[in-house]
Amino acid sequence: QLVLTQSPSASASLGASVKLTCTLSSGHINYAIAWHQQQPERGPRYLMKLNSDGSHTKGDGIPDRFSGSSSGAERYLTISSLQSEDEADYYCQTWGTGLYSVVFGGGTKLTVL
Amino acid sequence: EVQLLESGGGLVQPGGSLRLSCAASGFTFSTYAMSWVRQAPGKGLEWVSEISGSGGSTHYADSLKGRFTISRDNSRNTLYLQMDSLRAEDTAVYYCAKSGINSGYFCEFDNWGQGTLVTVSS
Repeated sequence: QLVLTQSPSASASLGASVKLTCTLSSGHINYAIAWHQQQPERGPRYLMKLNSDGSHTKGDGIPDRFSGSSSGAERYLTISSLQSEDEADYYCQTWGTGLYSVVFGGGTKLTVL
Repeated sequence: EVQLLESGGGLVQPGGSLRLSCAASGFTFSTYAMSWVRQAPGKGLEWVSEISGSGGSTHYADSLKGRFTISRDNSRNTLYLQMDSLRAEDTAVYYCAKSGINSGYFCEFDNWGQGTLVTVSS
């Protein structure tokens, strides 16, 4: 079964960096994912598509402070120089073309201290 | 600039029906698959359904058990979600989302609407 696992919460200080993790289920470790940001009371915003080799394609207007990387079943989102507006929920998404389904991780709530 | 604007949400009684719309602009609507994603209050994102650019292929989350129907009118650049036999657990904000690959099917979502709230309650 295609599953994405995320830690429920993370925190980091203003101006620091944070690395969020999304873990693919066994048997699906080569899947690409996408990262989305959801600020309070707003719709989600696409950040990037992240491939298994770590290459990534960011959405329009996404700052250089956001980057992605991969290792095995893990997909990472790194946010550097944290700003107050980065405080949000972050979701990873993947899809099974042959499975005809889309799966989201449970989301990570990022608090900027 | 891509814009997706949902409408049609509201309060409906259990067992009732509702049709959501998503008006799209800023891209060639007919060449992109589109999806509906929902978010129950205080919960995470849940994929509901996807439709191909032509409208010829549709797929749904298993949990819906045939109660929802996705469709599109490419002449009007509009996506729809017909929701029947609504239950309290269908209460959520419903978002439309655009696929990120031209002529792709099941891939990343690269644009989202702002959502429309559906409340199922007596």
